[in-house]
Amino acid sequence: QVQLQESGPGLVKPSETLSLTCSVSGDSVRSYYWSWIRQPPGKGLEWIGYIFFYTGSTNYNPSLKSRVTISLDTSRNQFSLKLNSVTAADTAVYYCARHAARSWLDPWGQGTLVTVSS
Amino acid sequence: DIQMTQSPSSLSASVGDRVSITCRAGRDISTYLNWYQQKPGRAPKLLIYAASSLQSGVSSRFSGSGSGTDFTLTISSLQPEDFATYYCQQSYSTITFGQGTRLKIK
Repeated sequence: QVQLQESGPGLVKPSETLSLTCSVSGDSVRSYYWSWIRQPPGKGLEWIGYIFFYTGSTNYNPSLKSRVTISLDTSRNQFSLKLNSVTAADTAVYYCARHAARSWLDPWGQGTLVTVSS
Repeated sequence: DIQMTQSPSSLSASVGDRVSITCRAGRDISTYLNWYQQKPGRAPKLLIYAASSLQSGVSSRFSGSGSGTDFTLTISSLQPEDFATYYCQQSYSTITFGQGTRLKIK
């Protein structure tokens, strides 16, 4: 059974960098695609980007592309999100999820709330 | 980006009702369309993939149809646990979600 778990600081100051990690069990991050998705309080889902080990490729939401980096750590079977120059608009629950090419997201992590505030 | 538009944004219904939620894509996405259910404080749960395939373990009262630009999620007989928010998601070109449909108890 594949399980994903997000971790990282719950509070980030404006203009700083948000850093989150998704730990994967029951599968290898060398397979599949691995995405980050976020959901501001009371709002809908927004895809942030994905990474794919075999090609080393990443693909980011154009609206966030200039601020986002997603990377893999195969030794720890984890993947990470960095979002720089954050503002209050980046306050959200951040989810990680697995998917295949041109495919559905399943499973998802439970999500972690990140608040941007001084 | 492929824009996804769901309708309605909100829907009130009663237990036992048959309800449908529509999702329209900004361009032809074949059947690269997936549906999720989300309850408060929980991660989204996959219901339907590839427009009409039922995810393992999901009740058969959920069904999906459509191809191209127009898609529908139907719940045949609402149960109390079905009151939630539903999202469509296209996977034809990167990933985008619809804005969500909140299904409320009448």
